Amino acid sequence: QSALTQPPSASGSPGQSVTISCTGTGSDVGDYNFVSWYQHHPGKAPKLMIYEVSKRPSGVPARFSGSRSGNTASLTVSGLQAEDEGDYYCSSYIAGVTVLFGGGTKLTVL
Amino acid sequence: EVQLVESGGGLVQPGGSLRLSCAASGFTFSTYWMSWVRQAPGKGLEWVATIDQDGSEKTHVDSVKGRFTISRDNARNSLYLQMNSLRAEDTAVYYCAIRFHHRFDYWGQGTLVTVAS
Repeated sequence: QSALTQPPSASGSPGQSVTISCTGTGSDVGDYNFVSWYQHHPGKAPKLMIYEVSKRPSGVPARFSGSRSGNTASLTVSGLQAEDEGDYYCSSYIAGVTVLFGGGTKLTVL
Repeated sequence: EVQLVESGGGLVQPGGSLRLSCAASGFTFSTYWMSWVRQAPGKGLEWVATIDQDGSEKTHVDSVKGRFTISRDNARNSLYLQMNSLRAEDTAVYYCAIRFHHRFDYWGQGTLVTVAS
């Protein structure tokens, strides 16, 4: 099973909005409501930012939102802040207990 | 506060073995599915294995089947990954994570495994 497809990089200025895409197939992203997004700062523990396509865990700022259209899920960060810089990974349930991740997107705040 | 602390990583020769441990605290360990996820240098995340609450159901990614085994000790609040017949492509930072439904709610900071001669 190939990894979900994410752009390698994205960027925006403070206060702007940026959207990161995550493209799968009708057997993963397009078939289940179990798409998640993780923020990862190198050397630290990854952090769950969005689950079940668009739900935010407690403590995650409302600036982070998720959506899906067909086989592509998206993470939007509104009102970019310097601390949002880092790597972002999407994931999708496939079958059984298998989870597939995207290749990651490096978000730079200019 | 949920804490997951991995240990046991290091340098090992191809064909060798390592046992990773993950010490859990701040939550009722025995009631959660747990997983290992890895990240090879310069690469993305890869799910490795998942185990259910009592250890009766275990699933591993195809690339490690027959070589790696996930296990747990609920009395010790610990998760393990026994890795045998290690290959260069197993070089990665290994994270333990709480698996809830089909997401990973909390992660540790990881332990580095380097397979090289």
